[in-house]
Amino acid sequence: ILNVEQSPQSLHVQEGDSTNFTCSFPSSNFYALHWYRWETAKSPEALFVMTLNGDEKKKGRISATLNTKEGYSYLYIKGSQPEDSATYLCAFRGTGNQFYFGTGTSLTVIP
Amino acid sequence: DTGVSQNPRHKITKRGQNVTFRCDPISEHNRLYWYRQTLGQGPEFLTYFQNEAQLEKSRLLSDRFSAERPKGSFSTLEIQRTEQGDSAMYLCASSFEGSEQYFGPGTRLTVT
Repeated sequence: ILNVEQSPQSLHVQEGDSTNFTCSFPSSNFYALHWYRWETAKSPEALFVMTLNGDEKKKGRISATLNTKEGYSYLYIKGSQPEDSATYLCAFRGTGNQFYFGTGTSLTVIP
Repeated sequence: DTGVSQNPRHKITKRGQNVTFRCDPISEHNRLYWYRQTLGQGPEFLTYFQNEAQLEKSRLLSDRFSAERPKGSFSTLEIQRTEQGDSAMYLCASSFEGSEQYFGPGTRLTVT
């Protein structure tokens, strides 16, 4: 079983603050790194799929970077809004077909 | 297409009973995954299908668990002789080949 770690476990920020969280994963047998947003009582929603070292992806105020050599990815949220409150999950996909999820970072944006 | 659906959304059962959950994936998706998620943890992979073939099973999947996808469309996950430790959220996801997964809302199982 692969170890995928996310930090911090939870985060409270004020509306308008920018924030970031980390996903660490094995640097060997890498195929892809996925980020999801999971709001309470809803299904996890795919944010990004990242495959190449140095990849940067952006969707609105949310962006992500990938470093496959050292085994980490950062997710950034610029100007956090209350609707950004959710758990953010990363999932490592190796050269097999299994996805290994981290435990998530729970973000609360305080109005 | 309304996305991935799962039924039931909640299930309460007594220890020792059998339960079956259903997942209907997005229609053009050929891959279907089952995960289990317990409080404070991320989703844990259980098994996955490519079309009707079950290609991988996690060691977490004891012999009390069985999954099928008979026609390569919907899938069922059955748990026999449920135990309290089986209480969890069971998530289904589908994808086309290895692209991003789309998740259903999950079935929350409580074993009393």
